[in-house]
Amino acid sequence: EAQVTQNPRYLITVTGKKLTVTCSQNMNHEYMSWYRQDPGLGLRQIYYSMNVEVTDKGDVPEGYKVSRKEKRNFPLILESPSPNQTSLYFCASRPGAGTEAFFGQGTRLTVV
Amino acid sequence: QKEVEQNSGPLSVPEGAIASLNCTYSDRGSQSFFWYRQYSGKSPELIMFIYSNGDKEDGRFTAQLNKASQYVSLLIRDSQPSDSATYLCAVNEEGDMRFGAGTRLTVKP
Repeated sequence: EAQVTQNPRYLITVTGKKLTVTCSQNMNHEYMSWYRQDPGLGLRQIYYSMNVEVTDKGDVPEGYKVSRKEKRNFPLILESPSPNQTSLYFCASRPGAGTEAFFGQGTRLTVV
Repeated sequence: QKEVEQNSGPLSVPEGAIASLNCTYSDRGSQSFFWYRQYSGKSPELIMFIYSNGDKEDGRFTAQLNKASQYVSLLIRDSQPSDSATYLCAVNEEGDMRFGAGTRLTVKP
């Protein structure tokens, strides 16, 4: 089944404890992205990648890191999480420019 | 700052009515436009995409695009309670896709 898989689905952590949210797609898509969704603000892009080893900042990259070492994986790293990073996170992949995005199930992160 | 704007709603319509959702965008270079539906706590799912000026119909849904006015809309005919959700407008930009904040639609039986 074609899909984008995020893990974990739910995570509660403490301020400053490094964490990684994984994202994997099995559709051989070129593009992958991370978004965060907060009430009233919609989906805001954190980082995106147009190919292996190619990443770029979105609108809200502060406090996040990403890497794209393989085409299928695009992990999101929070080196020192803070409470303002409490949010619902979505990973998405796309075949190429101008095409639709396929979303993972979402990760609900709470930083206390 | 490039923007995609939607009326946040909530928009409430009676069952069987037409729901009209609107979206404006600022990047004149955008070429691809998408409407996603999102139920609370779930992932966005694609309803329609449109690339050319004019109307595109798919079942009860019609997307309308006017690039000169930088405006895209979604019409839902014969609205059903199951259409109650948040509708996200998305616009392709150089690099990736930008989303509006979404319009919350409620269809009352």
